[in-house]
Amino acid sequence: GAGVSQTPSNKVTEKGKYVELRCDPISGHTALYWYRQSLGQGPEFLIYFQGTGAADDSGLPNDRFFAVRPEGSVSTLKIQRTERGDSAVYLCASSLIQGGTGELFFGEGSRLTVL
Amino acid sequence: KQEVTQIPAALSVPEGENLVLNCSFTDSAIYNLQWFRQDPGKGLTSLLLIQSSQREQTSGRLNASLDKSSGRSTLYIAASQPGDSATYLCAVKRNEKLTFGTGTRLTIIP
Repeated sequence: GAGVSQTPSNKVTEKGKYVELRCDPISGHTALYWYRQSLGQGPEFLIYFQGTGAADDSGLPNDRFFAVRPEGSVSTLKIQRTERGDSAVYLCASSLIQGGTGELFFGEGSRLTVL
Repeated sequence: KQEVTQIPAALSVPEGENLVLNCSFTDSAIYNLQWFRQDPGKGLTSLLLIQSSQREQTSGRLNASLDKSSGRSTLYIAASQPGDSATYLCAVKRNEKLTFGTGTRLTIIP
């Protein structure tokens, strides 16, 4: 596609439920990133994929959060036993190359609300 | 730990004025610095990327500078327009992680 696509754009769920958020990166981009943005804050790093493998997952807040990218393209962020504090906008970004020249391109985000 | 600060948090200026947004960071060992624009309820749009070896980048009415040694970047917007109203975020990159500031909310008054 022309840009990074994220679905759903909005998700409302109840505390304790399981949620999946999907990211479809720009075609050909090998690097994929997940960030989380709370109201009034800048985005915070969650996890980075290079190809199929998670190269850095140090930003995941706890073991309820997990992300996969099985074929090196689409990625899914999975949140188990959701809590109200998980409410935020989850942003996905992709980059053609890693390293210093890698410009990140972001999607519109998935707004998660946990009631 | 890298910390990124953006001042001011909010700025209102009349249409047509030139303005400068500021970004400072604590760790100068960065790969690059990227400026983004974010409209309410939307994702981030990349405006300019400056490599660590560069001093500035220009795109249309936008000019971004980088002084890595002092940990500072500025985004200059010339001849501001109401359509420039948005939140502007700077982010520094190291080891594949972007660290963001909290942004400057810019309002251009027609």
